[in-house]
Amino acid sequence: GAVVSQHPSRVICKSGTSVKIECRSLDFQATTMFWYRQFPKKSLMLMATSNEGSKATYEQGVEKDKFLINHASLTLSTLTVTSAHPEDSSFYICSARGGTSLETQYFGPGTRLLVL
Amino acid sequence: GQNIDQPTEMTATEGAIVQINCTYQTSGFNGLFWYQQHAGEAPTFLSYNVLDGLEEKGRFSSFLSRSKGYSYLLLKELQMKDSASYLCAFMDSNYQLIWGAGTKLIIKP
Repeated sequence: GAVVSQHPSRVICKSGTSVKIECRSLDFQATTMFWYRQFPKKSLMLMATSNEGSKATYEQGVEKDKFLINHASLTLSTLTVTSAHPEDSSFYICSARGGTSLETQYFGPGTRLLVL
Repeated sequence: GQNIDQPTEMTATEGAIVQINCTYQTSGFNGLFWYQQHAGEAPTFLSYNVLDGLEEKGRFSSFLSRSKGYSYLLLKELQMKDSASYLCAFMDSNYQLIWGAGTKLIIKP
């Protein structure tokens, strides 16, 4: 149990375009979902926390108008990188918390974004 | 304040045992997690300790001492596939995970 999927796994886009990343909890209801960013050989950087049906809470330094998060249901959250630039290229990982273990975060496989 | 610390890199031999330490400081604590992350992949959950003591799960064990702000992950009978980064993280009073920078474990034949 506690499987989280993420789509797409890899995306290449042109500078100025928007990219949407989906995160789904497949076998449990995720009361909270998290979006992380990770640069090569660096630790996870929390971008935002979202609860179903409410606005996401963004970490300091993360632009909420650039990284739009929608947590529409208990099994789906989306991250949209708007007007992407090369510096947005990174590994984006979602995680979800819920189900039988209310504390544990289960991670999706990640999305590698390359902005040209 | 809050902080968490773990070694940057460790090297061990296939078949041996290795212990990865993690120390933390926080005023609010709701448990400590260990995750494994292979290069280019997302982290996978290994263990969660909220009470003092040792939790054993197959070849992996995790220990917690809340009074000392200390945890370790013990890996036995090391296999080449155990080469990965091991992330420790504690959950603070807001139920948010505070992550260590990760320990890169290199297994040599």
